[in-house]
Amino acid sequence: ILNVEQSPQSLHVQEGDSTNFTCSFPSSNFYALHWYRWETAKSPEALFVMTLNGDEKKKGRISATLNTKEGYSYLYIKGSQPEDSATYLCAFPKGYSTLTFGKGTMLLVSP
Amino acid sequence: EAGVVQSPRYKIIEKKQPVAFWCNPISGHNTLYWYLQNLGQGPELLIRYENEEAVDDSQLPKDRFSAERLKGVDSTLKIQPAELGDSAVYLCASSLSGTDTQYFGPGTRLTVL
Repeated sequence: ILNVEQSPQSLHVQEGDSTNFTCSFPSSNFYALHWYRWETAKSPEALFVMTLNGDEKKKGRISATLNTKEGYSYLYIKGSQPEDSATYLCAFPKGYSTLTFGKGTMLLVSP
Repeated sequence: EAGVVQSPRYKIIEKKQPVAFWCNPISGHNTLYWYLQNLGQGPELLIRYENEEAVDDSQLPKDRFSAERLKGVDSTLKIQPAELGDSAVYLCASSLSGTDTQYFGPGTRLTVL
């Protein structure tokens, strides 16, 4: 992996479903992995900054895990709600402070 | 605490016209970023400022794009002349320093006709 890759590209689930997305990144020279949520017409919102292998972070119904050795992070949403509909971006610092973003996973949660 | 402010939120112009975007970062944030987000892509860095100094502008198309951050606070990004391919969302972000979490503004959606 040379850049940041996210999958799936888009996801449509029903309210109450749990879901997860994947972010793959270069495993060499790891510094940090950022997750952002970007709702339409709003500012991208920082969710997590993950730095330690095996790290798990949680914010309400959203949690994320990190595996720096194999170069991936998972984002989980438990019991999805319509307000979770957004694009979820992960980003990897390439050089000092320059974030390289994935293309994002667009989540749509239907009531 | 006020977030990153950007204006305008939307701009429609004809090709070959100039356009400018303004960003006011979070108070006290020394690092300011301008990103370009094309449809279906992640944001890509155009320029990064540390205070008033542009320390990374390697991805800024300097033939038509320019930016400034006078007094190390707010910043302006300009395109002259605009081309059809410049239609995109222009995001501004700021952070306390280069390695801290970046906080984004809502972006300016530019449409070039």
